[in-house]
Amino acid sequence: AQKVTQAQTEISVVEKEDVTLDCVYETRDTTYYLFWYKQPPSGELVFLIRRNSFDEQNEISGRYSWNFQKSTSSFNFTITASQVVDSAVYFCALRGANSKLTFGKGITLSVRP
Amino acid sequence: DTGVSQNPRHKITKRGQNVTFRCDPISEHNRLYWYRQTLGQGPEFLTYFQNEAQLEKSRLLSDRFSAERPKGSFSTLEIQRTEQGDSAMYLCASSLDSGGSYEQYFGPGTRLTVT
Repeated sequence: AQKVTQAQTEISVVEKEDVTLDCVYETRDTTYYLFWYKQPPSGELVFLIRRNSFDEQNEISGRYSWNFQKSTSSFNFTITASQVVDSAVYFCALRGANSKLTFGKGITLSVRP
Repeated sequence: DTGVSQNPRHKITKRGQNVTFRCDPISEHNRLYWYRQTLGQGPEFLTYFQNEAQLEKSRLLSDRFSAERPKGSFSTLEIQRTEQGDSAMYLCASSLDSGGSYEQYFGPGTRLTVT
């Protein structure tokens, strides 16, 4: 069985602060894929990043960075210099041998001006 | 390049009625997925198609639910004899997936309210 745990439920920061969203996963598959999605108030899930289990290289995209550590089964997401537009619900998801995505419960991020 | 579209965006129905939702995937995508999302939760997988073949169904998909993708393009999700517990956001996603790791792109969802 696959499981994704996002222990943080709500985070509130002031604009320009850095914030890290945690994600821990469980799977028995040797090959798997990890994802982060953003769900703004409009409701549509927006794909942010995919990481393959065999590639532990961290990734940076603008103000976003991701830290993948197989040893701790974690795939954390950091937003640097947060902005009000970053306010949304963020989901971590896992895909194993089959095609379906298993999502965490999501983290509601509020960025205050 | 148009994204995934879903219709209707909102549906209010009375308990016991049947409802049908439509999903149009990104045109070159061969896989299509249905998920359900309730308030405060992440999306939960319901079923998926590769072309017109339905390859997997979740235990969440009771026999009141049926999904089709008749020509490998758009898909419909029907719920018969709706119950209040069916109230949720129904999300459709598509991917170009030939056994690889291609990401799923989601539509805006259909919000169902059963009164």
